[in-house]
Amino acid sequence: AQSVTQLGSHVSVSEGALVLLRCNYSSSVPPYLFWYVQYPNQGLQLLLKYTTGATLVKGINGFEAEFKKSETSFHLTKPSAHMSDAAEYFCAVRSGGAQKLVFGQGTRLTINP
Amino acid sequence: NAGVTQTPKFRVLKTGQSMTLLCAQDMNHEYMYWYRQDPGMGLRLIHYSVGEGTTAKGEVPDGYNVSRLKKQNFLLGLESAAPSQTSVYFCASSYPDTYEQYFGPGTRLTVT
Repeated sequence: AQSVTQLGSHVSVSEGALVLLRCNYSSSVPPYLFWYVQYPNQGLQLLLKYTTGATLVKGINGFEAEFKKSETSFHLTKPSAHMSDAAEYFCAVRSGGAQKLVFGQGTRLTINP
Repeated sequence: NAGVTQTPKFRVLKTGQSMTLLCAQDMNHEYMYWYRQDPGMGLRLIHYSVGEGTTAKGEVPDGYNVSRLKKQNFLLGLESAAPSQTSVYFCASSYPDTYEQYFGPGTRLTVT
């Protein structure tokens, strides 16, 4: 069975600082990995995804993530945080057919001015 | 192009009442999904559909039923609501083979 663990339910950084959100996964098949973002009172929006190929994946809004098979990790980073990055972030892994996803618990990112 | 819409946005039910949540998408997506979101638990899949007339159970299907009579609509029903079903419900849709799910804005349901 596939599963996702996000380390830290709440991360707080200063504006302009590095953002690092951690995600570890467990998968019995080659993983397809995703990061979604949820702004307050909205649905989720895809930030980036890894399926095959290059292990460093770039997404929207300056975010990127690196797939590390040996560490079963897919951490999300952004070099310089902006106030508009405040949101909840979810890591997800492919789970079986029909493009089903298993989501992590979510990490709430707060940006301090 | 409205994307994925959900009706209603908010609802309060008493224990034992029934209701139907409507999801509509105008992107001609084959696949549709219903999730519930609870604090600290991420999103959990309730039911999903891979095409008109088909439905399947997800991770937490008990207490819910679904129907997909038209390709663009996916209905989620609660026959006898329970306080444990207090949650935010999200609908999503996608094309096959893209793995990009498009989410609606959610329905906040409270069962008292």
